[in-house]
Amino acid sequence: DTAVSQTPKYLVTQMGNDKSIKCEQNLGHDTMYWYKQDSKKFLKIMFSYNNKELIINETVPNRFSPKSPDKAHLNLHINSLELGDSAVYFCASSPSPGTTYEQYFGPGTRLTVT
Amino acid sequence: LAKTTQPISMDSYEGQEVNITCSHNNIATNDYITWYQQFPSQGPRFIIQGYKTKVTNEVASLFIPADRKSSTLSLPRVSLSDTAVYYCLVGDGQAGTALIFGKGTTLSVSS
Repeated sequence: DTAVSQTPKYLVTQMGNDKSIKCEQNLGHDTMYWYKQDSKKFLKIMFSYNNKELIINETVPNRFSPKSPDKAHLNLHINSLELGDSAVYFCASSPSPGTTYEQYFGPGTRLTVT
Repeated sequence: LAKTTQPISMDSYEGQEVNITCSHNNIATNDYITWYQQFPSQGPRFIIQGYKTKVTNEVASLFIPADRKSSTLSLPRVSLSDTAVYYCLVGDGQAGTALIFGKGTTLSVSS
């Protein structure tokens, strides 16, 4: 069974469209994250939720909106997509919030905006 | 959060021991040192974490000197499948703080 899964794996869309990426973890973890890895391979935290509550909200455009319907799911909705949004988006989870807890990453979603 | 510095790249051959050193001169008292590994087209994977001295698991060893201003990840007898990017991170584990991934060290293992 996949611990952290993301759908879709690839997403190609045009500028201006709205898209969502879904993430699910079956590890029973309380904390989930969204990261963005750009073309230069820098991996940056975007959001973190703990027990469905937002605890980390980095400097991310308002076009990005995370939603956590329950502890096992953290979805990312992106409005009015721009070329600069092209990247690989990783979802992750950990037992508790904080950097000392091992984070389990999903396989990533490669978003291409044309 | 303490900033980390590590070599951009390293090359090795199969069967050799590889040591990747990370500098974190302004590490705080409560900070832990954590290493992640990332293969191409995959998410990072936790390798090892330590606070001081030496930590060993089935994958690697982590050496931390007494002043904790640096740490060394040791991979024994690497294989081609160890080719990946290795990230050194430092953090105190407080809720609301995030892992800060730098550029990492790209390890290339050849036969």
